[in-house]
Amino acid sequence: QQPVQSPQAVILREGEDAVINCSSSKALYSVHWYRQKHGEAPVFLMILLKGGEQKGHEKISASFNEKKQQSSLYLTASQLSYSGTYFCGTAPANFGNEKLTFGTGTRLTIIP
Amino acid sequence: EPEVTQTPSHQVTQMGQEVILRCVPISNHLYFYWYRQILGQKVEFLVSFYNNEISEKSEIFDDQFSVERPDGSNFTLKIRSTKLEDSAMYFCASKGTGYGYTFGSGTRLTVV
Repeated sequence: QQPVQSPQAVILREGEDAVINCSSSKALYSVHWYRQKHGEAPVFLMILLKGGEQKGHEKISASFNEKKQQSSLYLTASQLSYSGTYFCGTAPANFGNEKLTFGTGTRLTIIP
Repeated sequence: EPEVTQTPSHQVTQMGQEVILRCVPISNHLYFYWYRQILGQKVEFLVSFYNNEISEKSEIFDDQFSVERPDGSNFTLKIRSTKLEDSAMYFCASKGTGYGYTFGSGTRLTVV
């Protein structure tokens, strides 16, 4: 089962904030966030491993609620460079070769 | 920073032809993956590979697909008889003993 992301798409003016949600029907060990520009590979943003943990990367941070099997990505004071499609990737365990299952994606467009 | 290298970056092939997509994972990584992304759609898991054998494969990974690690460094995906619907971006990823997955820049396969 693929994690579901919301919203599917969002358009922001530069400087505005956004929240992208990722929800899984399976128990999760880790949540990984990636940003993908058109025609390029997904670029790793961050991993969250523990329930309730928040991590940050520049003005991008995320939380992971293990009990609810949900993660949220927070983008504050968005910049033009933040445009792209954001994917969460989930893994149910850390048995080494566990695959990452990608979410449905959220297309973020930042306009000047 | 270590990279996963994929070649070629773009391949055009005729329907029914065989293609081999090549990947050089990070040298001390143990787990290897192939994903594909049809234009504008989600990133889909194809196969994982560990200790010279397939660990897991998806429904997409049928008898037309095969993977191998012929020389301890390259990791290849072969599609025996390509179909139009195989047109997609194919990403290789590798993982070490940590939690992160490193993706290559992808091979865009166009079947005509």
